[in-house]
Amino acid sequence: KNEVEQSPQNLTAQEGEFITINCSYSVGISALHWLQQHPGGGIVSLFMLSSGKKKHGRLIATINIQEKHSSLHITASHPRDSAVYICAVKRGWGGATNKLIFGTGTLLAVQP
Amino acid sequence: ETGVTQTPRHLVMGMTNKKSLKCEQHLGHNAMYWYKQSAKKPLELMFVYNFKEQTENNSVPSRFSPECPNSSHLFLHLHTLQPEDSALYLCASSQAGGAGGYTFGSGTRLTVV
Repeated sequence: KNEVEQSPQNLTAQEGEFITINCSYSVGISALHWLQQHPGGGIVSLFMLSSGKKKHGRLIATINIQEKHSSLHITASHPRDSAVYICAVKRGWGGATNKLIFGTGTLLAVQP
Repeated sequence: ETGVTQTPRHLVMGMTNKKSLKCEQHLGHNAMYWYKQSAKKPLELMFVYNFKEQTENNSVPSRFSPECPNSSHLFLHLHTLQPEDSALYLCASSQAGGAGGYTFGSGTRLTVV
């Protein structure tokens, strides 16, 4: 079992729909990252969270440390949001370790 | 462009070839990473360099040889690879410890024939 699990693995939505992608983890973490990977491979960092909620444009990320769970929401989805969304967690505290553990990603397709 | 530049974007090499992947960042970061992304698998950490020193080798076969001549440049030297090494190789950088988040390059798509 992976230490970071994402659901769903694949998601197809109609343009304008509200989308939620979930991430659960089983280890102690100091931060959780949401990443976006477009076809072609490049990865863009969307959010880094250690508590609460962050919002950037139509994207909202939340984390519940007690539940070891995070969600990424996309409001008013658009075809350009089609990508793989990856959850990654950073274990431990302090500067001694900077290792990320990745989920397998959620492939999102938003249809016009 | 994210600030982390990887070259080449695509590489096809034979199993007896020697090639190198290059990664460059001018973000002032002092940690650099190599990741491997195979189909249907999570990203796998290969190597971590902090302040030019290798601090993590994630049991990577010796046919992959990293080099970090300074905090801005990272290389991955490849020799006698196997077809199963075909994957997307991603470079990333951050401040030491990952503070402030990570910046990824666009990756090198490697095919071993």
